[in-house]
Amino acid sequence: GAVVSQHPSRVICKSGTSVKIECRSLDFQATTMFWYRQFPKQSLMLMATSNEGSKATYEQGVEKDKFLINHASLTLSTLTVTSAHPEDSSFYICSARPRGTEAFFGQGTRLTVV
Amino acid sequence: AQSVTQPDIHITVSEGASLELRCNYSYGATPYLFWYVQSPGQGLQLLLKYFSGDTLVQGIKGFEAEFKRSQSSFNLRKPSVHWSDAAEYFCAVGDYNTDKLIFGTGTRLQVFP
Repeated sequence: GAVVSQHPSRVICKSGTSVKIECRSLDFQATTMFWYRQFPKQSLMLMATSNEGSKATYEQGVEKDKFLINHASLTLSTLTVTSAHPEDSSFYICSARPRGTEAFFGQGTRLTVV
Repeated sequence: AQSVTQPDIHITVSEGASLELRCNYSYGATPYLFWYVQSPGQGLQLLLKYFSGDTLVQGIKGFEAEFKRSQSSFNLRKPSVHWSDAAEYFCAVGDYNTDKLIFGTGTRLQVFP
């Protein structure tokens, strides 16, 4: 099946700093990618839809200035958590869907803000 | 609005026993339905999906699910559970036009020897 690679898998950062998470589609082009957030022992909540060459579409309640999304190419989307705080600690997962098939997910990024 | 309900938060079964995980959905049109499995600290792996056609779908690792439109359900089943099946299971409904997935709250499966 298609492969979506997410990096890094784990990151620890200090409060107030910014963290960038990358999501790559390795063997297909993705005009659209999705970013999800998962709190411990909870389900995945869609944060935003990343659109290649245009602005991301954010779900209600998600701060676009805090979670910056850039989708500069057909194989790469990045999520930057700006001015991170401990409450931003979470598991972030991206997904992309090749045309005509199901979505494939990255391995996820465990962000811990200390 | 689209939604997915997984009524069972936590299920415990003995190895070798049969398993059924429940999933109910709310969707305005013909849904695209998925079951994913997640091991601790890992991403999601697709078990199976339903787009159209035969309402009984077979997936990987011996899992199957049946789409029942009249009951708005898509329950996951396995006739004999293995210890390695212990994980978190998520049901999801997809919007074919937007590619968005709406996830249920998940069911944590524990398997005892």
